[in-house]
Amino acid sequence: EAGVAQSPRYKIIEKRQSVAFWCNPISGHATLYWYQQILGQGPKLLIQFQNNGVVDDSQLPKDRFSAERLKGVDSTLKIQPAKLEDSAVYLCASRPLGRYEQYFGPGTRLTVT
Amino acid sequence: SQQGEEDPQALSIQEGENATMNCSYKTSINNLQWYRQNSGRGLVHLILIRSNEREKHSGRLRVTLDTSKKSSSLLITASRAADTASYFCATGRETSGSRLTFGEGTQLTVNP
Repeated sequence: EAGVAQSPRYKIIEKRQSVAFWCNPISGHATLYWYQQILGQGPKLLIQFQNNGVVDDSQLPKDRFSAERLKGVDSTLKIQPAKLEDSAVYLCASRPLGRYEQYFGPGTRLTVT
Repeated sequence: SQQGEEDPQALSIQEGENATMNCSYKTSINNLQWYRQNSGRGLVHLILIRSNEREKHSGRLRVTLDTSKKSSSLLITASRAADTASYFCATGRETSGSRLTFGEGTQLTVNP
Protein backbone atom coordinates (compact mmCIF):
# COMPACT_ATOMS: atom_id res chain seq x y z
CA GLU A 1 0.00 0.00 0.00
CA ALA A 2 1.44 3.37 -1.01
CA GLY A 3 1.88 5.88 1.77
CA VAL A 4 0.94 9.54 1.97
CA ALA A 5 2.75 11.50 -0.72
CA GLN A 6 3.80 15.12 -0.39
CA SER A 7 5.60 17.56 -2.64
CA PRO A 8 7.82 19.41 -2.77
CA ARG A 9 10.07 18.02 -0.05
CA TYR A 10 11.91 21.31 0.39
CA LYS A 11 11.08 24.91 -0.47
CA ILE A 12 12.94 28.15 0.13
CA ILE A 13 11.13 31.43 -0.50
CA GLU A 14 11.47 35.06 0.48
CA LYS A 15 9.01 36.68 2.84
CA ARG A 16 5.89 38.06 1.20
CA GLN A 17 6.09 35.44 -1.56
CA SER A 18 3.48 32.74 -1.95
CA VAL A 19 3.94 28.97 -1.79
CA ALA A 20 1.78 25.88 -2.26
CA PHE A 21 2.13 22.35 -0.95
CA TRP A 22 0.50 19.24 -2.34
CA CYS A 23 -0.65 16.07 -0.61
CA ASN A 24 -1.99 12.79 -1.91
CA PRO A 25 -3.41 10.65 0.92
CA ILE A 26 -3.56 6.88 1.15
CA SER A 27 -6.19 5.55 -1.22
CA GLY A 28 -9.58 5.27 0.44
CA HIS A 29 -8.77 7.46 3.43
CA ALA A 30 -11.60 9.94 3.75
CA THR A 31 -10.02 12.14 6.42
CA LEU A 32 -7.03 14.35 5.64
CA TYR A 33 -5.08 16.63 7.96
CA TRP A 34 -2.50 19.38 7.53
CA TYR A 35 -0.10 20.07 10.41
CA GLN A 36 2.59 22.66 11.00
CA GLN A 37 5.66 21.50 12.92
CA ILE A 38 8.08 24.18 14.03
CA LEU A 39 11.59 22.98 14.86
CA GLY A 40 11.76 21.49 18.35
CA GLN A 41 7.97 21.36 18.78
CA GLY A 42 5.19 18.88 18.20
CA PRO A 43 2.90 19.09 15.18
CA LYS A 44 0.06 21.58 15.38
CA LEU A 45 -3.16 20.91 13.49
CA LEU A 46 -3.98 23.50 10.85
CA ILE A 47 -7.00 21.96 9.12
CA GLN A 48 -8.97 18.71 8.95
CA PHE A 49 -11.00 17.56 5.93
CA GLN A 50 -13.62 14.83 5.77
CA ASN A 51 -13.89 13.96 2.09
CA ASN A 52 -13.92 17.44 0.47
CA GLY A 53 -15.52 19.25 3.41
CA VAL A 54 -13.72 21.15 6.17
CA VAL A 55 -14.27 19.64 9.63
CA ASP A 56 -11.94 21.86 11.66
CA ASP A 57 -9.95 24.91 10.59
CA SER A 58 -10.00 26.73 13.92
CA GLN A 59 -6.20 26.96 14.07
CA LEU A 60 -5.65 27.96 10.44
CA PRO A 61 -4.43 31.57 10.07
CA LYS A 62 -7.03 32.38 7.46
CA ASP A 63 -5.62 35.77 6.59
CA ARG A 64 -2.69 34.07 4.87
CA PHE A 65 -3.29 30.32 4.79
CA SER A 66 -5.81 28.50 2.63
CA ALA A 67 -6.43 24.85 1.86
CA GLU A 68 -8.68 22.87 -0.40
CA ARG A 69 -9.43 19.27 -1.14
CA LEU A 70 -11.20 19.10 -4.44
CA LYS A 71 -12.91 15.79 -5.28
CA GLY A 72 -12.12 14.50 -1.80
CA VAL A 73 -8.69 13.11 -2.69
CA ASP A 74 -5.63 15.36 -3.22
CA SER A 75 -5.22 18.49 -1.17
CA THR A 76 -3.23 21.70 -1.46
CA LEU A 77 -2.18 24.10 1.28
CA LYS A 78 -1.23 27.64 0.29
CA ILE A 79 0.48 30.45 2.14
CA GLN A 80 0.17 33.96 0.74
CA PRO A 81 2.04 36.07 1.71
CA ALA A 82 4.63 34.11 3.70
CA LYS A 83 6.19 35.43 6.90
CA LEU A 84 9.46 34.46 8.53
CA GLU A 85 7.58 32.65 11.30
CA ASP A 86 6.02 30.31 8.73
CA SER A 87 9.35 28.48 8.47
CA ALA A 88 8.45 24.95 9.52
CA VAL A 89 7.76 21.44 8.28
CA TYR A 90 4.25 21.03 6.87
CA LEU A 91 2.93 17.54 7.39
CA CYS A 92 -0.01 15.91 5.70
CA ALA A 93 -1.74 12.92 7.27
CA SER A 94 -4.69 10.72 6.42
CA ARG A 95 -6.85 8.41 8.48
CA PRO A 96 -8.96 5.41 7.52
CA LEU A 97 -12.64 5.40 8.40
CA GLY A 98 -13.41 3.88 11.77
CA ARG A 99 -9.87 4.14 13.13
CA TYR A 100 -8.04 6.80 15.09
CA GLU A 101 -4.42 6.35 14.05
CA GLN A 102 -3.09 8.73 11.43
CA TYR A 103 -0.61 8.04 8.63
CA PHE A 104 1.83 10.83 7.89
CA GLY A 105 3.66 11.88 4.77
CA PRO A 106 7.36 12.85 4.77
CA GLY A 107 6.53 16.55 5.03
CA THR A 108 7.60 19.69 3.21
CA ARG A 109 10.33 21.73 4.87
CA LEU A 110 9.67 25.42 4.23
CA THR A 111 12.29 28.07 4.84
CA VAL A 112 11.22 31.71 4.59
CA THR A 113 14.10 34.18 4.31
CA SER B 1 -1.72 25.48 23.42
CA GLN B 2 -0.47 21.92 23.28
CA GLN B 3 -2.43 19.44 25.38
CA GLY B 4 0.26 16.86 26.01
CA GLU B 5 3.50 17.46 27.81
CA GLU B 6 6.25 14.87 27.60
CA ASP B 7 8.81 14.23 30.27
CA PRO B 8 11.76 14.15 30.04
CA GLN B 9 12.51 16.46 27.11
CA ALA B 10 15.61 14.43 26.33
CA LEU B 11 16.81 10.98 27.36
CA SER B 12 20.12 9.28 26.62
CA ILE B 13 20.64 5.58 27.38
CA GLN B 14 22.83 2.64 26.38
CA GLU B 15 21.74 -0.08 24.01
CA GLY B 16 19.94 -2.85 25.85
CA GLU B 17 18.58 -0.57 28.57
CA ASN B 18 14.91 0.30 28.97
CA ALA B 19 13.57 3.76 28.14
CA THR B 20 10.56 5.31 29.84
CA MET B 21 8.82 8.43 28.63
CA ASN B 22 5.89 10.13 30.30
CA CYS B 23 3.05 12.23 28.98
CA SER B 24 0.57 14.40 30.87
CA TYR B 25 -2.54 16.01 29.45
CA LYS B 26 -5.23 18.40 30.61
CA THR B 27 -8.68 17.52 29.31
CA SER B 28 -10.79 14.38 29.01
CA ILE B 29 -9.72 12.12 26.19
CA ASN B 30 -11.09 9.39 23.97
CA ASN B 31 -7.73 7.85 23.14
CA LEU B 32 -4.01 8.48 23.49
CA GLN B 33 -1.45 7.59 20.85
CA TRP B 34 2.34 7.50 20.66
CA TYR B 35 4.24 8.40 17.52
CA ARG B 36 7.93 8.23 16.59
CA GLN B 37 9.78 10.66 14.35
CA ASN B 38 13.26 9.89 13.03
CA SER B 39 15.36 12.69 11.59
CA GLY B 40 14.43 13.17 7.98
CA ARG B 41 11.32 11.02 8.21
CA GLY B 42 7.68 11.67 8.93
CA LEU B 43 5.78 10.62 11.99
CA VAL B 44 5.03 6.93 12.42
CA HIS B 45 2.21 5.64 14.58
CA LEU B 46 3.41 3.24 17.29
CA ILE B 47 0.53 2.36 19.56
CA LEU B 48 -2.94 3.52 20.61
CA ILE B 49 -4.62 3.12 23.97
CA ARG B 50 -8.28 3.90 24.54
CA SER B 51 -9.56 5.80 27.58
CA ASN B 52 -11.14 2.63 29.03
CA GLU B 53 -7.84 0.70 28.84
CA ARG B 54 -5.06 0.77 31.42
CA GLU B 55 -2.22 -1.02 29.68
CA LYS B 56 -1.30 -2.17 26.21
CA HIS B 57 1.63 -4.03 24.70
CA SER B 58 3.07 -4.16 21.19
CA GLY B 59 6.38 -5.96 20.71
CA ARG B 60 8.96 -4.13 22.84
CA LEU B 61 6.51 -1.32 23.62
CA ARG B 62 4.36 -1.05 26.71
CA VAL B 63 1.94 1.82 27.23
CA THR B 64 0.03 2.62 30.39
CA LEU B 65 -2.77 5.11 30.87
CA ASP B 66 -4.03 6.61 34.12
CA THR B 67 -7.05 8.76 33.34
CA SER B 68 -7.44 9.82 36.99
CA LYS B 69 -3.98 11.39 36.85
CA LYS B 70 -4.30 12.36 33.19
CA SER B 71 -1.00 10.72 32.39
CA SER B 72 0.51 8.01 30.22
CA SER B 73 3.88 6.34 29.96
CA LEU B 74 5.68 4.62 27.11
CA LEU B 75 8.23 1.94 27.96
CA ILE B 76 10.63 0.67 25.31
CA THR B 77 12.41 -2.47 26.50
CA ALA B 78 15.83 -3.69 25.35
CA SER B 79 16.45 -0.52 23.38
CA ARG B 80 18.43 -0.48 20.14
CA ALA B 81 20.37 2.25 18.37
CA ALA B 82 17.59 2.28 15.75
CA ASP B 83 15.15 3.45 18.47
CA THR B 84 16.92 6.83 18.46
CA ALA B 85 14.16 9.29 17.56
CA SER B 86 11.71 11.83 18.93
CA TYR B 87 8.64 10.34 20.58
CA PHE B 88 5.36 12.25 20.77
CA CYS B 89 2.19 11.53 22.63
CA ALA B 90 -1.03 12.69 21.00
CA THR B 91 -4.44 12.85 22.61
CA GLY B 92 -7.79 12.44 20.92
CA ARG B 93 -10.47 14.50 22.59
CA GLU B 94 -13.47 12.93 24.22
CA THR B 95 -15.83 14.66 21.80
CA SER B 96 -13.72 14.14 18.70
CA GLY B 97 -11.33 11.25 19.03
CA SER B 98 -10.11 11.76 15.50
CA ARG B 99 -8.61 15.19 16.15
CA LEU B 100 -5.18 14.79 17.77
CA THR B 101 -3.28 17.26 19.92
CA PHE B 102 0.44 16.55 20.09
CA GLY B 103 2.86 17.19 22.90
CA GLU B 104 6.33 18.66 22.52
CA GLY B 105 8.09 15.30 22.39
CA THR B 106 10.93 13.43 24.07
CA GLN B 107 14.21 13.11 22.21
CA LEU B 108 15.59 9.62 22.85
CA THR B 109 19.20 8.79 22.06
CA VAL B 110 20.29 5.16 22.30
CA ASN B 111 24.06 4.84 22.33
CA PRO B 112 25.60 1.69 20.84
